[in-house]
Amino acid sequence: GQQVMQIPQYQHVQEGEDFTTYCNSSTTLSNIQWYKQRPGGHPVFLIQLVKSGEVKKQKRLTFQFGEAKKNSSLHITATQTTDVGTYFCAGPVGNTPLVFGKGTRLSVIA
Amino acid sequence: DARVTQTPRHKVTEMGQEVTMRCQPILGHNTVFWYRQTMMQGLELLAYFRNRAPLDDSGMPKDRFSAEMPDATLATLKIQPSEPRDSAVYFCAIYGTLAYNEQFFGPGTRLTVL
Repeated sequence: GQQVMQIPQYQHVQEGEDFTTYCNSSTTLSNIQWYKQRPGGHPVFLIQLVKSGEVKKQKRLTFQFGEAKKNSSLHITATQTTDVGTYFCAGPVGNTPLVFGKGTRLSVIA
Repeated sequence: DARVTQTPRHKVTEMGQEVTMRCQPILGHNTVFWYRQTMMQGLELLAYFRNRAPLDDSGMPKDRFSAEMPDATLATLKIQPSEPRDSAVYFCAIYGTLAYNEQFFGPGTRLTVL
């Protein structure tokens, strides 16, 4: 079954509102990666988190890795129309280098 | 990303036809992944190769799918015969930097089987 789960599946926000997507794994992950896919595009790597409790920031994006290394979140402050796309988390599970969550599709209404 | 090219970008075919998709990583990237993306299943790993040898193809339906890497700059994914349920976007990906083991994806092949 699905080993890396993401919620919500969809999120519609007004421009300027904040956005958060959550990722949960059924197993402890050695690391977690986040990708963004624009409509019609391909997944693009954003960041990797490795340490328990790690927090990293990229401008308006804040990424967190849970203490137990089983969950992660991506928070976008003051969304812009350029943030539109699907955000995926992914982590190594078993012998599979990366198992992707199903993603959260973000729509931003101007 | 210029490190990976895929052809064709779009393919429309009829059920039962053979489909071949190509992935060309730039020289030096010795690990190649094949993914399939659909609305229902999301991004699924089909197979991956290292140094041209298949490491894992357990995600690939064996009866109709085959993946090969004839040389270091060409990977192919073949479907024979194709079925409507194979309609999806097929991505290949390579490792970026080993420090992170992040993956760089090609632009994808959008396959429609009628």
